[in-house]
Amino acid sequence: DVKVTQSSRYLVKRTGEKVFLECVQDMDHENMFWYRQDPGLGLRLIYFSYDVKMKEKGDIPEGYSVSREKKERFSLILESASTNQTSMYLCASLPNLFSGNTIYFGEGSWLTVV
Amino acid sequence: KQEVTQIPAALSVPEGENLVLNCSFTDSAIYNLQWFRQDPGKGLTSLLLIQSSQREQTSGRLNASLDKSSGRSTLYIAASQPGDSATYLCAVSPSTDSWGKFQFGAGTQVVVTP
Repeated sequence: DVKVTQSSRYLVKRTGEKVFLECVQDMDHENMFWYRQDPGLGLRLIYFSYDVKMKEKGDIPEGYSVSREKKERFSLILESASTNQTSMYLCASLPNLFSGNTIYFGEGSWLTVV
Repeated sequence: KQEVTQIPAALSVPEGENLVLNCSFTDSAIYNLQWFRQDPGKGLTSLLLIQSSQREQTSGRLNASLDKSSGRSTLYIAASQPGDSATYLCAVSPSTDSWGKFQFGAGTQVVVTP
């Protein structure tokens, strides 16, 4: 059974803290994604990675960075958390970027910044 | 910039009624359109994929149509059941090698009452 695991489901952090959100997939997929989901706005792409150590900005990368040192793991980093980064964060993975492949999502990480 | 809209934002129907969910997009130059289901507090599950060359796709009680010229897709769920209660999201992909880099609608929240 395919699996995308987001280890932290619920986090509460203070403004200015450095936050790491971790995502692990067990399908040997090349491509991994970070989205954030906000009420009324749907999902918006933050960053994606198409290979180890390779990354590309999505639609809303400001305030975020990512790390992909191993194929199975893709980390989202908030260097200095702010209240407007309170959101649900979803990780996803794909074998490649060509159409028709099923994309798999994790269950999400709820982040509250106070 | 592509904008994806889903109307209505919420829908409540009695069990057994057919569901009709709408998705519209502003730029008809899409490559594919995907429908997803999201249960409360969970990640997304892929439902139906419509390639740009197709006009519809069916899986069980689900049927999705695509009219690129008018910028619309419709998801039909026949004979709804309480287990169909969820949020349904549509997402478009702009080109052949950008699968996974979706533009999402905000979703339609569906409640099916017994």
